[in-house]
Amino acid sequence: AQKITQTQPGMFVQEKEAVTLDCTYDTSDPSYGLFWYKQPSSGEMIFLIYQGSYDQQNATEGRYSLNFQKARKSANLVISASQLGDSAMYFCAMREGQSFDYKLSFGAGTTVTVRA
Amino acid sequence: EAGVAQSPRYKIIEKRQSVAFWCNPISGHATLYWYQQILGQGPKLLIQFQNNGVVDDSQLPKDRFSAERLKGVDSTLKIQPAKLEDSAVYLCASSLVRGAEIWVNEQFFGPGTRLTVL
Repeated sequence: AQKITQTQPGMFVQEKEAVTLDCTYDTSDPSYGLFWYKQPSSGEMIFLIYQGSYDQQNATEGRYSLNFQKARKSANLVISASQLGDSAMYFCAMREGQSFDYKLSFGAGTTVTVRA
Repeated sequence: EAGVAQSPRYKIIEKRQSVAFWCNPISGHATLYWYQQILGQGPKLLIQFQNNGVVDDSQLPKDRFSAERLKGVDSTLKIQPAKLEDSAVYLCASSLVRGAEIWVNEQFFGPGTRLTVL
């Protein structure tokens, strides 16, 4: 079964507007972490934001915020005030368990195109 | 600090040939990962090292793929012989295990090697 589901293959957003990228996850482990990465056309994966399963507040990092709804098992990424440089592929990923030797399970990604 | 280095950036080979990729992680990072990213998909973990020991290689096709991390620093990933379905981007990542902060412990990725098998 898919551990991470990203249902939006591609999205267009106008510059300076906000965009929400959907991510749902599936795990029975009470301890897990959710990550969002950005992958521009250059190919490098860039870490954006992290949410732990026990975190009481939604994570924020500059223009990025994570809308964490634990009961719904969703961890949507919100990018506010979109910029042209935000055009990229965005991946949601999950770490399960408490061990240091974790691995990330990635979703299929969402392509974001910012229009001027 | 310098990021994760990978080489080559691009490689084109014929099927049944062999190929090797190299990765140099961020200095001091104990954990190293190799991922395979097929076009249109998210990365899939192939193998994970902790220092020079293998932690997880359950997704590595061991009949043709091999990897090593001698001295717990640089790593090489080899494919021999390559198949058409091995065409993908191979990403190397590293992370620093730090006691109580392991919950974030984000992985830092290199630029990847794009492999095309003809």
